[in-house]
Amino acid sequence: SAVISQKPSRDICQRGTSLTIQCQVDSQVTMMFWYRQQPGQSLTLIATANQGSEATYESGFVIDKFPISRPNLTFSTLTVSNMSPEDSSIYLCSGGTSLGGEQYFGPGTRLTVT
Amino acid sequence: QQQVKQSPQSLIVQKGGIPIINCAYENTAFDYFPWYQQFPGKGPALLIAIRPDVSEKKEGRFTISFNKSAKQFSLHIMDSQPGDSATYFCAASFGGSRLTFGEGTQLTVNP
Repeated sequence: SAVISQKPSRDICQRGTSLTIQCQVDSQVTMMFWYRQQPGQSLTLIATANQGSEATYESGFVIDKFPISRPNLTFSTLTVSNMSPEDSSIYLCSGGTSLGGEQYFGPGTRLTVT
Repeated sequence: QQQVKQSPQSLIVQKGGIPIINCAYENTAFDYFPWYQQFPGKGPALLIAIRPDVSEKKEGRFTISFNKSAKQFSLHIMDSQPGDSATYFCAASFGGSRLTFGEGTQLTVNP
């Protein structure tokens, strides 16, 4: 299994600002993903973080709003740009191997935009 | 398009009961079916997973039953305990790629 940490664990931000969330995996993983989860709801995939290249975004999510970096196999960042109250959510990072399919999640970052 | 449908939305059982959560999928290319357990304020934790070449898998008190022809799979929790109270998500993926999640089931196990 992989142990995944995220920073910050929570933040309160003002409208119009940006927040960068960091995700660190304790072992090399092939795949890294970013999800969003509204309280009481399921997980929605934002994008697949690709090492050394542009992330692959799901429908409804764009790079200008959610730029993602993945400089190596164990680290990725997600930036939530020009935030509005609608961006208030829990953001989760996951990592796994394409061989086995298992994915492990970080503890999440709880974002509140005022 | 929702490709994994989960039911029920919520479930209440007494301690020692056997809650059953069901999921149905549409994409026959899916080859990996995990279940996640999530406690409030925590990230989802991988609980148990199955692949379509087997019909059942047990790990401790947790069992997955898989019906490939019906495109359905379910989670059974034997001898449920209050500590099992959490939200459970089924999911599916193919080729080790992105997970598609069900809507989630909030389980409450009463003492």
